[in-house]
Amino acid sequence: AQSVTQLGSHVSVSEGALVLLRCNYSSSVPPYLFWYVQYPNQGLQLLLKYTTGATLVKGINGFEAEFKKSETSFHLTKPSAHMSDAAEYFCAVSEGGGSYIPTFGRGTSLIVHP
Amino acid sequence: EAGVAQSPRYKIIEKRQSVAFWCNPISGHATLYWYQQILGQGPKLLIQFQNNGVVDDSQLPKDRFSAERLKGVDSTLKIQPAKLEDSAVYLCASTPSPMSSYEQYFGPGTRLTVT
Repeated sequence: AQSVTQLGSHVSVSEGALVLLRCNYSSSVPPYLFWYVQYPNQGLQLLLKYTTGATLVKGINGFEAEFKKSETSFHLTKPSAHMSDAAEYFCAVSEGGGSYIPTFGRGTSLIVHP
Repeated sequence: EAGVAQSPRYKIIEKRQSVAFWCNPISGHATLYWYQQILGQGPKLLIQFQNNGVVDDSQLPKDRFSAERLKGVDSTLKIQPAKLEDSAVYLCASTPSPMSSYEQYFGPGTRLTVT
């Protein structure tokens, strides 16, 4: 069975500061990993994904994440936070390939202070 | 291309009443999903359709929830009767096929409040 743990339900940063959102996963097979972003009153939007190959993946809006198998982690980072980054971020894992529906974490709310 | 459409965006009902949500997926997407997102949690899959057939409804509370996709395009999710714990955002998503289930396109959701 697959599962996702997002550490911290809320993360608060100042504008211009580093953003780090943590995600650890559990999977019995090589996982596919995702980060989705949800802006207020909107649906989820794919931010980035790891399937195979390069372990550092880049997504939209300057975000990136690194797959670390030894740590079973897929943390999301952005060098400099912008006010528009304030949103809910969901990490998700899918086992074994494209036909498996992802399991989502509980989400982390990113708060950006001026 | 147009995204996943959902309506209504908001609904407030009293417990024991009925409610229905509508979803129109991205054109050409054969696979459609309904999720329940309770406040403070990630989305939980309720049901998956492939065209007009059900692929997985193991997490759907069938005593009160029902869903259909009669013509293999748009879909309706119904709750009858509603309970307080059904208050949540109901998200619809679609993918071109089941083989791309891992990368989903979500609609804006319907926020249901049961009082």
